Amino acid sequence: NAGVTQTPKFRILKIGQSMTLQCAQDMNHNYMYWYRQDPGMGLKLIYYSVGAGITDKGEVPNGYNVSRSTTEDFPLRLELAAPSQTSVYFCASGQGFAEAFFGQGTRLTVV
Amino acid sequence: DQQVKQNSPSLSVQEGRISILNCDYTNSMFDYFLWYKKYPAEGPTFLISISSIKDKNEDGRFTVFLNKSAKHLSLHIVPSQPGDSAVYFCAANSGGSNYKLTFGKGTLLTVNP
Repeated sequence: NAGVTQTPKFRILKIGQSMTLQCAQDMNHNYMYWYRQDPGMGLKLIYYSVGAGITDKGEVPNGYNVSRSTTEDFPLRLELAAPSQTSVYFCASGQGFAEAFFGQGTRLTVV
Repeated sequence: DQQVKQNSPSLSVQEGRISILNCDYTNSMFDYFLWYKKYPAEGPTFLISISSIKDKNEDGRFTVFLNKSAKHLSLHIVPSQPGDSAVYFCAANSGGSNYKLTFGKGTLLTVNP
């Protein structure tokens, strides 16, 4: 049972480049989330989804986009990378009002 | 506006002793609280939770206490082990249809052998 799988684990982007962070879960969870963690800070919610075809903004959605075409996948898109998006990104899934299961994270550096 | 606060960035305890990690919250709509543990280069993993209808929940060496009037919760680890050394995040959820966890900044626990 793989749980929540994030790819890539590390990435360096140049300012203005775009990329997609992939997230897949095999637990048939309806809820999926993207968080970012900046140094010394807690996790801040970027976007979340309560099911296929349904997404909503979290605390810090600017500069990001998401889609949820299947229950399993929840990719996060960065369109025009900026240094402020340097962070560690975590994808998570859960059944809602309960604990969420996290992936191992993607460490992104924008230079 | 930080709704979940962990005011101690770090805590150091001796193996075998009790570790107490604290968390305060400001949003009175929060009614479900969770603790996550995070090792370096890994994602957070769920540790223990408590609903606002309870004031205590226990799971092995881990106990979470909730004081709703003070808007305060704490995680007790007894006895502490070196493998418990990690960052501990407190998180809160306001339930209903709002399944968004709000996290504190975390407390780095170091358990010394």
